[in-house]
Amino acid sequence: QIQLVQSGAEVKKPGASVKVSCKTSGYSFTSYDIAWVRQAPGQGLEWMGYISAYNGNTNYAQKLQGRVTMTTDTSTSTVYMEVRSLRSDDTAVYYCARIRGIGVAGPFDYWGQGTLVTVSS
Amino acid sequence: DIQMTQSPSSVSASVGDRVTITCRASQGISSWLAWYQQKPGKAPKLLIYAASSLQSGVPSRFSGSGSGTDFTLTISSLQPEDFATYYCQQANTFPPTFGQGTKVEIK
Repeated sequence: QIQLVQSGAEVKKPGASVKVSCKTSGYSFTSYDIAWVRQAPGQGLEWMGYISAYNGNTNYAQKLQGRVTMTTDTSTSTVYMEVRSLRSDDTAVYYCARIRGIGVAGPFDYWGQGTLVTVSS
Repeated sequence: DIQMTQSPSSVSASVGDRVTITCRASQGISSWLAWYQQKPGKAPKLLIYAASSLQSGVPSRFSGSGSGTDFTLTISSLQPEDFATYYCQQANTFPPTFGQGTKVEIK
């Protein structure tokens, strides 16, 4: 079955970096792009960007440009998302999600379980 | 960015009720709309894509309709496991954007 399994919760200080992994299985890794979506406590869903698992092309949300990097490791079918210069308002649950079909803006048909990133001094 | 506005923000309903949630886009998105269900502490789950196509494994009591700027999600007979928050998402234009969510609560 299709699974996206994310790394565990992280606690970071302001200004630090965090790297979250998303290991996929159950499908052809390079056939589907992966998006990252985050959700601040008690808030809605915010798209962060996506990466093509086929060629590594990326597209990031404008507000995160310069602070976020998404990469892939095709040998392990894993996607990584790093956020640098963390601020308190980066505290959120971060989700990876598979993009269904040919459109890269969604929809998102399979999701990881989420990774809580807490930014606190 | 395209703004997605859901209404109502919350709805109280009983088991067996018919529930309708609306989603309006700030500009036309054709049929590039998806609906998700999210339960507390869980990842969102895709229910509907392309405005009206039911994702595999989703019960047929869920249905979607609309095109352009106005869309609806209907639950024909609310079940206990349907109490959750529902989000719409446009997939027509970068960046993809979500509605603010509609919480379906027990009456």
